[in-house]
Amino acid sequence: GAVVSQHPSRVICKSGTSVKIECRSLDFQATTMFWYRQFPKKSLMLMATSNEGSKATYEQGVEKDKFLINHASLTLSTLTVTSAHPEDSSFYICSARGHSRGTSYTQYFGPGTRLTVL
Amino acid sequence: ELKVEQNPLFLSMQEGKNYTIYCNYSTTSDRLYWYRQDPGKSLESLFVLLSNGAVKQEGRLMASLDTKARLSTLHITAAVHDLSATYFCAVDMGYALNFGKGTSLLVTP
Repeated sequence: GAVVSQHPSRVICKSGTSVKIECRSLDFQATTMFWYRQFPKKSLMLMATSNEGSKATYEQGVEKDKFLINHASLTLSTLTVTSAHPEDSSFYICSARGHSRGTSYTQYFGPGTRLTVL
Repeated sequence: ELKVEQNPLFLSMQEGKNYTIYCNYSTTSDRLYWYRQDPGKSLESLFVLLSNGAVKQEGRLMASLDTKARLSTLHITAAVHDLSATYFCAVDMGYALNFGKGTSLLVTP
């Protein structure tokens, strides 16, 4: 089955630094990738939709200057948390929607990145 | 705005018992997904339901979709401890998914 990877899986950083998280579709091309955020014992909240070759679409309330998204190729999207603060600590999960007929209806989720900002 | 409501949010059940988790949503959608999440882990896809009347089964879990009623169910048969996890339903908004709040399931001896 389709696999989505994320790197790093866990990151601890100091307040004020920037952190980049990579999301890769390993065996399929993903025209669209999504970034979700999950607080402990809560549901997933969509942050933004990332389309290859175009600007990301952010959900209401998500600061686009704080959460920079780049989707440079059909297999890679990156989320950069700029000037991170403790309230940005969360579990960030990406997903990818397939491009081919067999994968287009399914979203495949990455393993997640746990960000802790001290 | 699409709303997805799951119930119950918490479920403690004995091994061997049956139970159903419900997922109601507020606007038209023909695609609904069920995921499982273990603590500290990401989401594992359980079922993709693509049309009205769709029913899928895998082991002790069976999912169904009624698009007219805007309702999906996840039925657990003869629960075992390994099924303890959080289960999410998610409705396809046409681009991303809108998730329910999740049902935290604990199966006890």
